[in-house]
Amino acid sequence: EPEVTQTPSHQVTQMGQEVILRCVPISNHLYFYWYRQILGQKVEFLVSFYNNEISEKSEIFDDQFSVERPDGSNFTLKIRSTKLEDSAMYFCASSEALGGGEQFFGPGTRLTVL
Amino acid sequence: DQQVKQNSPSLSVQEGRISILNCDYTNSMFDYFLWYKKYPAEGPTFLISISSIKDKNEDGRFTVFLNKSAKHLSLHIVPSQPGDSAVYFCAASGTSYGKLTFGQGTILTVHP
Repeated sequence: EPEVTQTPSHQVTQMGQEVILRCVPISNHLYFYWYRQILGQKVEFLVSFYNNEISEKSEIFDDQFSVERPDGSNFTLKIRSTKLEDSAMYFCASSEALGGGEQFFGPGTRLTVL
Repeated sequence: DQQVKQNSPSLSVQEGRISILNCDYTNSMFDYFLWYKKYPAEGPTFLISISSIKDKNEDGRFTVFLNKSAKHLSLHIVPSQPGDSAVYFCAASGTSYGKLTFGQGTILTVHP
C-alpha cells in the first residue's frame, strides 16, 4: 500500500540553525501539506501546496518557513533559523483531491531545538 | 483556535462494547469531517469521513454521525477491540485548500 515517508525521524539542532525536513508524498497525489504538533497540543496546519506554489498558509508559517518541491517526488519544509518553540512533531501529508479527499499522513519528524 | 473541540480527553471501554467519541465544531463553513487514529510515534491514520450533505457514514465497525444543526459529530466503534486503543482525532475541512482543523484528541482505551 502506498504511503507517505518522512526523513529524518528525529532531528536535533541548535537554536538559530537551519533545518530541512523531507517528505516523499504518495506518487499520484497532487496536494501536499505540512502540519505540526507541539507536545501536548493539537495538530496544527502549517501550509498547503499545489501546482508548485503555496495554496494556503497559517499564521505560524512566517518568513522563517519555506516549502519546496525540488523534484517530482520530494516535498521539503525548511526552517531558516530555528527557535526553541519550533520543537515539535512535523507531519507531512498528501491527498489526491481537494474537498473530500482524505489526507494521508507520514510518520512525522521529531524536531528538537536546543 | 477552538473551532473543533473534543471535550473528552479520554474514554475507557470494555472489549466488545460500543465506543462513542464526540466532537463539536463552531465554524459553519466546514463541509467535510474526518476521523483519524494515531498511535504513539506514528502519524495520524485516516479512519472514516463524512460530507456535510450526509448524516451518517458507515465502514465496517466504524460509523460516523453528523448533526449539522447541533454542529456535532460522533464516531461509533462497535464492537470495540483492544487494538482500537489509540488517540482519536476529529478534523474538519472547509472551502479552503484542504486545510484540516483538528480537535485535541481523545485517548481511547479498550480493556480485554
